[in-house]
Amino acid sequence: EAGVTQFPSHSVIEKGQTVTLRCDPISGHDNLYWYRRVMGKEIKFLLHFVKESKQDESGMPNNRFLAERTGGTYSTLKVQPAELEDSGVYFCASSQAGTPYNEQFFGPGTRLTVL
Amino acid sequence: AQSVTQPDIHITVSEGASLELRCNYSYGATPYLFWYVQSPGQGLQLLLKYFSGDTLVQGIKGFEAEFKRSQSSFNLRKPSVHWSDAAEYFCAVRNAGNMLTFGGGTRLMVKP
Repeated sequence: EAGVTQFPSHSVIEKGQTVTLRCDPISGHDNLYWYRRVMGKEIKFLLHFVKESKQDESGMPNNRFLAERTGGTYSTLKVQPAELEDSGVYFCASSQAGTPYNEQFFGPGTRLTVL
Repeated sequence: AQSVTQPDIHITVSEGASLELRCNYSYGATPYLFWYVQSPGQGLQLLLKYFSGDTLVQGIKGFEAEFKRSQSSFNLRKPSVHWSDAAEYFCAVRNAGNMLTFGGGTRLMVKP
């Protein structure tokens, strides 16, 4: 069974440009999460989808970030316009609803560099 | 607000030596605690978790962790480290809404 996949693995863009990150969760997982780790800092929660609905978006830093999960399958995270401080690694995770521990399975991350 | 502290940013141990990675948490209720490992180019892999019951939990790859409520700690241990254990380790606490709060990570290097 395929794990959580993320695309691209790396992205280098200039300040002011737009970037879209994609996450494909494990098939059948209703819960999808985005986290990010900026340089030298801890991994921080961005938001949580349950199917196509945003359950918790308290960690989204500002309105330059837009997350979607159309149809409750894959998700995209768009940064527009990108700023220098957006550089970091963006992780996606998914979990299956109704399981006792709701274990989150993580993807390999997308490394975003904003120049 | 919940928080997690990993006091050691880097640790170097010799292969075959024992290992303990420290984790302290702050959480108002009974915590759900996790240890994840990230090897280069890989995603975060769950090593072990604590929800309730026995305070000594066993995980994959020979790791274990002990929950100590009085010390607000959840330290990770391994009796004999292998070169393949070199990676970055993250302690995390989960809130009721499934949000994970991570510590800053500890990077482990293993000397031959």
